[in-house]
Amino acid sequence: AQKVTQAQTEISVVEKEDVTLDCVYETRDTTYYLFWYKQPPSGELVFLIRRNSFDEQNEISGRYSWNFQKSTSSFNFTITASQVVDSAVYFCALSEAGRSQGNLIFGKGTKLSVKP
Amino acid sequence: DSGVTQTPKHLITATGQRVTLRCSPRSGDLSVYWYQQSLDQGLQFLIQYYNGEERAKGNILERFSAQQFPDLHSELNLSSLELGDSALYFCASSPVHFSGNTIYFGEGSWLTVV
Repeated sequence: AQKVTQAQTEISVVEKEDVTLDCVYETRDTTYYLFWYKQPPSGELVFLIRRNSFDEQNEISGRYSWNFQKSTSSFNFTITASQVVDSAVYFCALSEAGRSQGNLIFGKGTKLSVKP
Repeated sequence: DSGVTQTPKHLITATGQRVTLRCSPRSGDLSVYWYQQSLDQGLQFLIQYYNGEERAKGNILERFSAQQFPDLHSELNLSSLELGDSALYFCASSPVHFSGNTIYFGEGSWLTVV
């Protein structure tokens, strides 16, 4: 069965600190896709990144970076030099390939609070 | 702005009533998804349509139904509403129906049942 676990319910940091959000997934498929979404206080879900299971290269986008490790079934997200605008709930999600449906399975989310 | 449009943004209604949430997908996207976000259940997949046909069902109650019209907009109908149906309902869209493509979400419709 597919499952996404975000063990950190809430994290609080001070501005300019680095913070890592953990995501562990379970799947029986060898081909799958992993996603991160951001939900700011206004409520919308904003797409951040998509990663397929064959691409284990780490990715960096500005202050954001992602570490994908198949050996530990993890897809962690790091924000460097956090800012108050990074305060949001972050969701990790999984989609298994080979299925005719493309819906995502979400983790419970991690609420990040960045204080000035 | 994801390009997915949902209306209404906020809705307050009484128990037992029926409401309709509307969604316009991103231009060119054929697949539409509905999700429910509640405090206790988190983000749950309800239903998926692709080019007018139902493609997949998740944890959607029998009191809820949806459809996708020829112009690709979709509606989620919630009937016999209960207090527990209060939640944020998201519509999302993607170009195709199968897994792996990026799914873009609308801003959501906040439903409060009183």
